[in-house]
Amino acid sequence: DGGITQSPKYLFRKEGQNVTLSCEQNLNHDAMYWYRQDPGQGLRLIYYSQIVNDFQKGDIAEGYSVSREKKESFPLTVTSAQKNPTAFYLCASSMGGNGELFFGEGSRLTVL
Amino acid sequence: EDQVTQSPEALRLQEGESSSLNCSYTVSGLRGLFWYRQDPGKGPEFLFTLYSAGEEKEKERLKATLTKKESFLHITAPKPEDSATYLCAVQRGKLSFGAGTTVTVRA
Repeated sequence: DGGITQSPKYLFRKEGQNVTLSCEQNLNHDAMYWYRQDPGQGLRLIYYSQIVNDFQKGDIAEGYSVSREKKESFPLTVTSAQKNPTAFYLCASSMGGNGELFFGEGSRLTVL
Repeated sequence: EDQVTQSPEALRLQEGESSSLNCSYTVSGLRGLFWYRQDPGKGPEFLFTLYSAGEEKEKERLKATLTKKESFLHITAPKPEDSATYLCAVQRGKLSFGAGTTVTVRA
């Protein structure tokens, strides 16, 4: 079955640690995205990539980093510079950058 | 700055009680308006795309409509399985999401 796989589903981190969230898709989509979801707020765009080896900052990129070495993979690193990292993180993909996104199941990060 | 406002924040319905959700937006050069459904602890699932005022889309008990300043998601005779958070998003360049309306349908 085609889809997007995010891992881990739950992650706990101590302050000062970097963590990497995995996102893999087998939909052959060119564009991939990372969003952050907090209670009572809309999804906010962290980074996006429209092609391999290229990515752009979204609205809240500070404290995050990404790479896009393969079409299928778009991992997100939450660095120690992110001051409030506890959130639900969603990876998505689309064909051609339109608004019809396919989302993964999400990764919930909690900083202890 | 593109703004998307959804109302109400929460909606509690009896099974069979039809209602509507609102998504108002301020964006120039709208390329599309999108509705998603999100179940608790899951990623959103795409429902509809609307491109121009007057357009309507239907899927089972859901019907989405679009005007120049807002979109409505009508839920007709809802069932408990329609309980979810419904998200609206508008696209000019990037997508801008609203905070969602959480719908609870009681049997």
